[in-house]
Amino acid sequence: SQQGEEDPQALSIQEGENATMNCSYKTSINNLQWYRQNSGRGLVHLILIRSNEREKHSGRLRVTLDTSKKSSSLLITASRAADTASYFCATASNTDKLIFGTGTRLQVFP
Amino acid sequence: DVKVTQSSRYLVKRTGEKVFLECVQDMDHENMFWYRQDPGLGLRLIYFSYDVKMKEKGDIPEGYSVSREKKERFSLILESASTNQTSMYLCASSFLYGAPLKNIQYFGAGTRLSVL
Repeated sequence: SQQGEEDPQALSIQEGENATMNCSYKTSINNLQWYRQNSGRGLVHLILIRSNEREKHSGRLRVTLDTSKKSSSLLITASRAADTASYFCATASNTDKLIFGTGTRLQVFP
Repeated sequence: DVKVTQSSRYLVKRTGEKVFLECVQDMDHENMFWYRQDPGLGLRLIYFSYDVKMKEKGDIPEGYSVSREKKERFSLILESASTNQTSMYLCASSFLYGAPLKNIQYFGAGTRLSVL
């Protein structure tokens, strides 16, 4: 069951620009998480936002959550070539399981 | 740092072979997961275990089984591999729901399996 849908599917930007990717989901959640995956590797947790939070920051990352629209966005500011990766949102309800979206492929050109 | 180790990065098997994918975590996590990842489909949960000898089917369990005899080890078994099981397999672990870190999952590096 696919909960999260990321938009866009792919994004190409220059170093120094900001990258924004969006996630929409279908059911009520307890929290929403963002993960990063470098090519051919496992996923790495980036940030978690709880359902009662609207915005959260971690370094160059900013996550927003709008539970009324069932959507979240991840903003990466001042992007670097090393940010090139796929980014996934994952939603958690009152269980241990996460439901992952299909991901956004981000390419940052030097 | 949490470490989740998958036994192989790449595997090539023949149709009909029995295949074992092994995963070990060193953080005393209760939960362990097996996912498969295919282009355009994201991560799909195959099986989930919340305790030793306990397992729960995920979204796509057909053609797979699992084994969890020890807390730190979770094995995925393809009883008779088929070409449509060619995929990237990812193992993950997490604390039980309600723990302070709120079900953040930690992933292994993945096993890319090709079934010929």
